Amino acid sequence: GDSVTQMEGPVTLSEEAFLTINCTYTATGYPSLFWYVQYPGEGLQLLLKATKADDKGSNKGFEATYRKETTSFHLEKGSVQVSDSAVYFCALSPLSGGYNKLIFGAGTRLAVHP
Amino acid sequence: GAGVSQTPSNKVTEKGKYVELRCDPISGHTALYWYRQSLGQGPEFLIYFQGTGAADDSGLPNDRFFAVRPEGSVSTLKIQRTERGDSAVYLCASSLEANSEAFFGQGTRLTVV
Repeated sequence: GDSVTQMEGPVTLSEEAFLTINCTYTATGYPSLFWYVQYPGEGLQLLLKATKADDKGSNKGFEATYRKETTSFHLEKGSVQVSDSAVYFCALSPLSGGYNKLIFGAGTRLAVHP
Repeated sequence: GAGVSQTPSNKVTEKGKYVELRCDPISGHTALYWYRQSLGQGPEFLIYFQGTGAADDSGLPNDRFFAVRPEGSVSTLKIQRTERGDSAVYLCASSLEANSEAFFGQGTRLTVV
C-alpha cells in the first residue's frame, strides 16, 4: 500500500542554519504531496503542497519539490529561526477516490537554538 | 471560533468503558475526517464523511469503533469496551469539499487506564 518515510529526528540546528528534512514515498498513481507542521500546543497546519511532478510548494521560506523520478519531497529552508521549532509531517493523498485521505510519515521534530 | 473544535481536549477512562469524542467542523465544510495519532507516530486515517454518510471507514481498527455525523455537521467518534491500546490522540479534520485542504482540530487525548 501507499506509504511515507521521513528522516528520524530530532533535528537540532542553530538559528540561521540550513534545514533539510528528507521524505520519500511509495504510491501507485500520481498522489498529491504535503508537508504539515505541528507547533507546540497547536493542531496540525498545512505548510505547503504539490499536486504534480516537478511542482514546487513554498510557504514561510520553506520549499519542497515533487520529484517523481526519486519519489521524494524533501523539505528545505535556507535559514531557520527559533520559531520554526515544531514537528514536521510529510504526507500524501492518493486522491483515487476523489477525496483528501492523507497518509502521514512518522514526523520529524525540529529544535532550533539561538 | 472559526476552526475545527474537538471536545473534550483530554479524556481519561477505565479499561472496558465506553467513550464518545466530539468534533465540530468549520461551518459549511462538507467533508470530515477522523485520524488517530499514537505517541511518536504520524496520524493514521480512520474514517471519512461526505455529508452525513461515511464514504470510507476502512481505517477503523475493529467493530468497537463507530462514528456518526447525523446532520452533516458535528461528528461523534464512539469507542466501546475501551482497551489500553486505544490510548492516543484522536484528530478531526474538515474541508470545504472532498479534495480541498483539510483543517485539523487540536485533538482529544484519550488515555485508557
